Amino acid sequence: GEDVEQSLFLSVREGDSSVINCTYTDSSSTYLYWYKQEPGAGLQLLTYIFSNMDMKQDQRLTVLLNKKDKHLSLRIADTQTGDSAIYFCAAYGGSQGNLIFGKGTKLSVKP
Amino acid sequence: GAVVSQHPSWVICKSGTSVKIECRSLDFQATTMFWYRQFPKQSLMLMATSNEGSKATYEQGVEKDKFLINHASLTLSTLTVTSAHPEDSSFYICSARGPAGEQFFGPGTRLTVL
Repeated sequence: GEDVEQSLFLSVREGDSSVINCTYTDSSSTYLYWYKQEPGAGLQLLTYIFSNMDMKQDQRLTVLLNKKDKHLSLRIADTQTGDSAIYFCAAYGGSQGNLIFGKGTKLSVKP
Repeated sequence: GAVVSQHPSWVICKSGTSVKIECRSLDFQATTMFWYRQFPKQSLMLMATSNEGSKATYEQGVEKDKFLINHASLTLSTLTVTSAHPEDSSFYICSARGPAGEQFFGPGTRLTVL
């Protein structure tokens, strides 16, 4: 089945760009997602990308997809302290059409 | 965007009691809802898939008699944790599949079993 991997921690300074990376195994995943989770809260959908795209930009967020390497990244420009959270990469891969999540990358933004 | 609510947002109960968690899609109909469990500092693990009008499909290792799921309408799925024990303490998150296949997540329910 699908397996999604991402690094666990990232620390950046306020105003810098953050890049969170993710790899997945199932090349048939049609959609790939980035979710944000703030402490004690549920998941907030940030953005998603179709597998036939290689880039998607949405304000400060840029998603890059390298389908050959099964590598997905999320770039946050001008990172703010409010961006501190855990970011989950997810792909369709479950037998029920459910999402398979990575373990999450904790982004810490230092002032 | 579509909104999914969960109730309650947090609950504390005594060991041996049952707890019901509701998941509602507020502005769309969802034939499929998913229940996830999240342990502290860990990722989300799918527990079961809830389909309106039919029995839920449970993931391997999830006890169907302990985690009862009912999807009685197109906007409501419930998860009942029966005879709860401290090891059931967790963050439970539901999601509802939208019309375009996307998933919208509820805010989660934190269950603490004493």
